[in-house]
Amino acid sequence: DAGVIQSPRHEVTEMGQEVTLRCKPISGHNSLFWYRQTMMRGLELLIYFNNNVPIDDSGMPEDRFSAKMPNASFSTLKIQPSEPRDSAVYFCASSIRQGARGANVLTFGAGSRLTVL
Amino acid sequence: AQKVTQAQTEISVVEKEDVTLDCVYETRDTTYYLFWYKQPPSGELVFLIRRNSFDEQNEISGRYSWNFQKSTSSFNFTITASQVVDSAVYFCALSDIGANNLFFGTGTRLTVIP
Repeated sequence: DAGVIQSPRHEVTEMGQEVTLRCKPISGHNSLFWYRQTMMRGLELLIYFNNNVPIDDSGMPEDRFSAKMPNASFSTLKIQPSEPRDSAVYFCASSIRQGARGANVLTFGAGSRLTVL
Repeated sequence: AQKVTQAQTEISVVEKEDVTLDCVYETRDTTYYLFWYKQPPSGELVFLIRRNSFDEQNEISGRYSWNFQKSTSSFNFTITASQVVDSAVYFCALSDIGANNLFFGTGTRLTVIP
């Protein structure tokens, strides 16, 4: 299995530009997560999907952030307009939802390092 | 609300020394899962272990061992005979039964000096 695939690995953009980060989860996994990692705040959950449906987006910082999962094999995280404080590593992770009595083992992608100038 | 505390921000040891990384957690739930992940310098997050709250048996995997003590809400991680390749940031995380997401601690950066 190729694992969770994220693109781009590195993105440098200027303030005000739109940024789109992409994620391909592991085939067969039905839950997908977007996390953000910064020195100040550590690893924060932004949003997660079950069966392509957004379940909890309470971690999304503000309206400039949006995430979609049009099908089981693809998700995007979009920032529009981007700001310097959005600079971070964005991780996508996927898992098989274990049901009411389980807890997921998340498999993470390699991350997308975003720098907003 | 869930909370995971990793009080050790950075640890340095000399190769072949043993090292223990501490993790203390808070949750109102009686059933939950605990995790450790490793983030090497390359940046990816690698799953190491998952333990549920019903199982307080210690676990050993090669040079790695985990000590889960429900009475003190701790899930500590020990590396025996550390190696340079163990240099990484280690994260402890908590998830409630049936929950989908993980709450991560702030991580402990381990440096193993040759």
